[in-house]
Amino acid sequence: KQEVTQIPAALSVPEGENLVLNCSFTDSAIYNLQWFRQDPGKGLTSLLLIQSSQREQTSGRLNASLDKSSGRSTLYIAASQPGDSATYLCAAGAGSYQLTFGKGTKLSVIP
Amino acid sequence: EAGVAQSPRYKIIEKRQSVAFWCNPISGHATLYWYQQILGQGPKLLIQFQNNGVVDDSQLPKDRFSAERLKGVDSTLKIQPAKLEDSAVYLCASSFLRTGGSEAFFGQGTRLTVV
Repeated sequence: KQEVTQIPAALSVPEGENLVLNCSFTDSAIYNLQWFRQDPGKGLTSLLLIQSSQREQTSGRLNASLDKSSGRSTLYIAASQPGDSATYLCAAGAGSYQLTFGKGTKLSVIP
Repeated sequence: EAGVAQSPRYKIIEKRQSVAFWCNPISGHATLYWYQQILGQGPKLLIQFQNNGVVDDSQLPKDRFSAERLKGVDSTLKIQPAKLEDSAVYLCASSFLRTGGSEAFFGQGTRLTVV
C-alpha cells in the first residue's frame, strides 16, 4: 500500500526566501507525482505534474523534481511571497490512476 | 475550459440524517473521483469511476455511503445515515484517463458538518 509523507508539517519563512518542500513515497511504481495547493476552505489547485519518465517540471517560480528510485519529490519555491501562503499537498499516482496524498505542508510567508 | 463543479458548498445536518453531494466533471474526462478530507489530513479516495463503471470503491463505507455516475458524466455521493465522524470536506476530481497518469483537477469541495 502506497504511503506518502510530507516534511515539514508546517513552515514559516520571511518574504523573499527560497524554500523547499519535501515529499516521500514508499512504492516507486508510480505513474506520476502531482503537487497541489490548497487555500483555507478551498479545493485543490494543481501546480505541477511530473510524469514517471520525467525528472522535473517548472512553472514560474515553482520547480518540482522527482527521484523515483529514492521515492522522493521536492517542490522548490523561489523568492517566496505572502500570497504563497497555503497548504501544499503532494500526491503519488499509481494503480488505477489513483492519487495517494500526503498530509501536506502548511506554508506561511511573513511579509 | 470550465472546471469541476460541486454543490452544495456547505451543508450542516444532524446525525442520522441523509445528505447528497453533486459533481459535474470537466467535459470529456472519463475518470471521476470522490475524496474525503478530514481536517488536518490529506484527501482519502472514497470511490473512482471510469465512465459510469466503478474502478475502486474499496475505501467507501458501503453500509452508509453510496455513489453513482449517471451516463458517465455527473455523479452524486450520498450518506445515509450520517455520523459525527463524517464531518469533512468532500472533494470531487476528474481526469482524462486515456493519457496514462493524466493530471487530476479538483472542485471546490463540499464542507459537511454533522452535529
